Amino acid sequence: EAQVTQNPRYLITVTGKKLTVTCSQNMNHEYMSWYRQDPGLGLRQIYYSMNVEVTDKGDVPEGYKVSRKEKRNFPLILESPSPNQTSLYFCASSLMASGRELFFGEGSRLTVL
Amino acid sequence: DQQVKQNSPSLSVQEGRISILNCDYTNSMFDYFLWYKKYPAEGPTFLISISSIKDKNEDGRFTVFLNKSAKHLSLHIVPSQPGDSAVYFCAASANWNDMRFGAGTRLTVKP
Repeated sequence: EAQVTQNPRYLITVTGKKLTVTCSQNMNHEYMSWYRQDPGLGLRQIYYSMNVEVTDKGDVPEGYKVSRKEKRNFPLILESPSPNQTSLYFCASSLMASGRELFFGEGSRLTVL
Repeated sequence: DQQVKQNSPSLSVQEGRISILNCDYTNSMFDYFLWYKKYPAEGPTFLISISSIKDKNEDGRFTVFLNKSAKHLSLHIVPSQPGDSAVYFCAASANWNDMRFGAGTRLTVKP
């Protein structure tokens, strides 16, 4: 089954404790990106990647890091989480040749205390 | 700055009637527009899209209309079904690395 898989789905952590949210897709998509969803603001892009070893900042990259060492994986790293990073995070991917439609993961709800 | 706006946080319609969800944008460089549907505890799923060279695109019960002069697009669902109850996000894109989303409209279809 074609899918984007994120882990963990739910996480409660404390300020400053490094964490990684993993994202993996099995559709051989070149494009992957991370979004955060906050009430009243819709989805805002954090980082994106057009291919392996090619990443760039989106609208709200502060406090986040990403890497793209393999085509299928695009982890989101919070080196020192803060309460303002409490949010619902979505990973998405797309096959660039087929249009701009994104396939989303199920989301990761992160709470930073 | 929110370049894509969905001014109605919620909409309630009766089963079998038409649902019209609206979206406004400010950036004239947007050339591709999409609607996504989101159920609770799931990720958004792509519903329908339209290129700026068209003014209408239909897919079954779903039709998207684009009015470039007004910088406005709308999603029509006819007839509405209870299973259509979800949050609908409008999105607009100028290129691959610049897709902007609205805040979403929660549609409730009452039986």
